[in-house]
Amino acid sequence: AQSVTQLGSHVSVSEGALVLLRCNYSSSVPPYLFWYVQYPNQGLQLLLKYTSAATLVKGINGFEAEFKKSETSFHLTKPSAHMSDAAEYFCAVHGGTGGFKTIFGAGTRLFVKA
Amino acid sequence: DAGVIQSPRHEVTEMGQEVTLRCKPISGHNSLFWYRQTMMRGLELLIYFNNNVPIDDSGMPEDRFSAKMPNASFSTLKIQPSEPRDSAVYFCASSLKGDEQFFGPGTRLTVL
Repeated sequence: AQSVTQLGSHVSVSEGALVLLRCNYSSSVPPYLFWYVQYPNQGLQLLLKYTSAATLVKGINGFEAEFKKSETSFHLTKPSAHMSDAAEYFCAVHGGTGGFKTIFGAGTRLFVKA
Repeated sequence: DAGVIQSPRHEVTEMGQEVTLRCKPISGHNSLFWYRQTMMRGLELLIYFNNNVPIDDSGMPEDRFSAKMPNASFSTLKIQPSEPRDSAVYFCASSLKGDEQFFGPGTRLTVL
């Protein structure tokens, strides 16, 4: 069965530091990949998506992610963290060997220290 | 576009009562999803509709849960009877092609 693994349920960075949130998926067929962000008391909203075009995907709020087929990874990065980035981030995979379903990772909560 | 609309935003009820959650998807979207989110279990897919037809309800916890989509612009999730362990945030999401999903603000359900 297709799965998504997010390494680290909590990540803490200082304001201005690099943000790196890790995501690995399992699928023999390259799927569509997504990162969603959830701010407190809100629903999830799309940050960025990979749909088999460019492997480096740029999203909103300065985030980007790189699809690496050889590593089955889709890590999310941002060069400089801002206090407003504090939220929970979900990696998701659609298609591939999972068919029509979208599988969400368990989420990583990002804390940003002043 | 107003986005996905859910009502109510908060619901507090007593064990044994019937609860109905409502969702209006984005106009033109043909896929609709119901999720449940808790601290213990994270985000769980309950049921998925495509063109108003339930495609996968394997995530529905038990017979106390039921979902309907009578038309393209409205869906309900009903819990009857409700139990304290049903307390969670319930999200509705819609999609045009089934991949990128647009989430509503959620309904926070508390069952006492």
